[in-house]
Amino acid sequence: GAGVSQSPSNKVTEKGKDVELRCDPISGHTALYWYRQSLGQGLEFLIYFQGNSAPDKSGLPSDRFSAERTGGSVSTLTIQRTQQEDSAVYLCASSPIGAGELFFGEGSRLTVL
Amino acid sequence: AQTVTQSQPEMSVQEAETVTLSCTYDTSESDYYLFWYKQPPSRQMILVIRQEAYKQQNATENRFSVNFQKAAKSFSLKISDSQLGDAAMYFCAYKGGGSNYKLTFGKGTLLTVNP
Repeated sequence: GAGVSQSPSNKVTEKGKDVELRCDPISGHTALYWYRQSLGQGLEFLIYFQGNSAPDKSGLPSDRFSAERTGGSVSTLTIQRTQQEDSAVYLCASSPIGAGELFFGEGSRLTVL
Repeated sequence: AQTVTQSQPEMSVQEAETVTLSCTYDTSESDYYLFWYKQPPSRQMILVIRQEAYKQQNATENRFSVNFQKAAKSFSLKISDSQLGDAAMYFCAYKGGGSNYKLTFGKGTLLTVNP
């Protein structure tokens, strides 16, 4: 597709369950980001992938969060044993190398009951 | 660490009028980028305008323009001839130059456009 694609658009889960959020970046973009947007807050950096380099995981809030990027394209953000405070919109963005601008998807809204 | 501050949680403007959204940032770098992103109810962040710090001229994109004051570390967004479709959350963002890759965002300003 032409833009960054994220799925699911909305996810409701029970506390303690695991969830996977998917991001398909713009073709040819080597950089991929995950951000979290909680109600009333700005965007919180979670993780960054660039080509085959080791990802920057410095923003992951706990070891329940992990992410991978297969084949330098699609990325999956996994949250294990979800907690209510994990409820947020998870935004994925991609960028061509050397560019300043990020291109965002529409996000995945996660609600943990 | 860089910080971005948007001091106006909410703003409103009458259709066809002009509104200015404020943003200040803190950095020790001389080379960086600044952005304004718009987030409508669809949730997708859309780039409105960008400014390279080395450029003294203020960026302009149609009805959107910025007032970039590097010494004051201020980067305000002016929307002229406001339209109903401009209603959204607006985020100011900072990105360092060179090999820096993280965007640091402010907490946003919710803009309401009144008919």
